[in-house]
Amino acid sequence: GESVGLHLPTLSVQEGDNSIINCAYSNSASDYFIWYKQESGKGPQFIIDIRSNMDKRQGQRVTVLLNKTVKHLSLQIAATQPGDSAVYFCAENLTGGGNKLTFGTGTQLKVEL
Amino acid sequence: GAGVSQSPSNKVTEKGKDVELRCDPISGHTALYWYRQRLGQGLEFLIYFQGNSAPDKSGLPSDRFSAERTGESVSTLTIQRTQQEDSAVYLCASSFGGRRETQYFGPGTRLLVL
Repeated sequence: GESVGLHLPTLSVQEGDNSIINCAYSNSASDYFIWYKQESGKGPQFIIDIRSNMDKRQGQRVTVLLNKTVKHLSLQIAATQPGDSAVYFCAENLTGGGNKLTFGTGTQLKVEL
Repeated sequence: GAGVSQSPSNKVTEKGKDVELRCDPISGHTALYWYRQRLGQGLEFLIYFQGNSAPDKSGLPSDRFSAERTGESVSTLTIQRTQQEDSAVYLCASSFGGRRETQYFGPGTRLLVL
């Protein structure tokens, strides 16, 4: 069935380096994508979103890239900090699918000092 | 606080018992969502409410699961005759009504069925 998945379950980076978290999606009908951050014991926290009519969007220290040709989404975190350690999820919203989100399985980001 | 709140934060129950989980959305949010998160996995959509429209129940895994919402206020998720596979974190989110409105999540209720 249609799904959203992540390439890497765990990513370790050095403090100050840039992090790149990847996500593949298979539903071409998805037109809205969101990245969430989830710290241990907490609910997911919105980071950034992007619509399918865009290929790049920037926030504070974060950039999301969307490649519709290969159905690939990435989250780039600049100058990764210890506070960035968390599980990151991509989620998609399907055109005609109402408001519900379909989430990937998540990538654990570990920031090493 | 101004965020989504959920209660209880933790619930331990015995197989076969019913449980009721509560969600208080952000004031003014017309949409409310329930998701389930099993250990080490992503979130699974269960149900969502949008204003006075009929809820989208397409994610409920069985007829043991039901949810109610009164107006644009609190919601309760009820699991009847709990099974061990129901053990998970149950997350509630709320948003303004549009499809691309940001969903804000509560801290979740951790349910353990023994």
